Amino acid sequence: NAGVTQTPKFRILKIGQSMTLQCAQDMNHNYMYWYRQDPGMGLKLIYYSVGAGITDKGEVPNGYNVSRSTTEDFPLRLELAAPSQTSVYFCASSRSEYGYTFGSGTRLTVV
Amino acid sequence: AQSVTQLGSHVSVSEGALVLLRCNYSSSVPPYLFWYVQYPNQGLQLLLKYTSAATLVKGINGFEAEFKKSETSFHLTKPSAHMSDAAEYFCAVSDRNTDKLIFGTGTRLQVFP
Repeated sequence: NAGVTQTPKFRILKIGQSMTLQCAQDMNHNYMYWYRQDPGMGLKLIYYSVGAGITDKGEVPNGYNVSRSTTEDFPLRLELAAPSQTSVYFCASSRSEYGYTFGSGTRLTVV
Repeated sequence: AQSVTQLGSHVSVSEGALVLLRCNYSSSVPPYLFWYVQYPNQGLQLLLKYTSAATLVKGINGFEAEFKKSETSFHLTKPSAHMSDAAEYFCAVSDRNTDKLIFGTGTRLQVFP
């Protein structure tokens, strides 16, 4: 049972480049989330999804896009990378009150 | 809006001493509350959760937390710290309707020999 799998683990982007952070879960969870973690700031919710075909904005959605075509996958798209998007990104999935299962994270640096 | 406040961004204890990490929440409805631990360069792991059953919740690695509605608190404790407990700890609150988790800013626990 793999849980939540994120790829890549590390990435360096140049300003203005685009990329997609991949997230997949094999627990048949309806809810999925993208967070970013910055030092001393905790985790901030970027986007979330309550099921296939349904997504909604979190606290810090600007500069990001998501899609949810299947229950298993929830990719996060950065269209025009900016230095402010340098962060560690975590994907998570959940089944209501049972708590979240997190992936191991993607460390992104924009230079 | 729901929120959590973690008092103290850094806590240092000696090995064998009591660990107390503080968390206060703000919620207009009965919340679900969680503590997560993050070891260096890893994702977050669930330590324990409160979902309106027993107010004293026991988690993994000897940690426990007590839900106190009158104090709007959910502090994390462990009677005797181990070196392996050194990590960052996050308190989080969940809206039962939306299932979104709102995290505190984290507390980094250092354990000295």
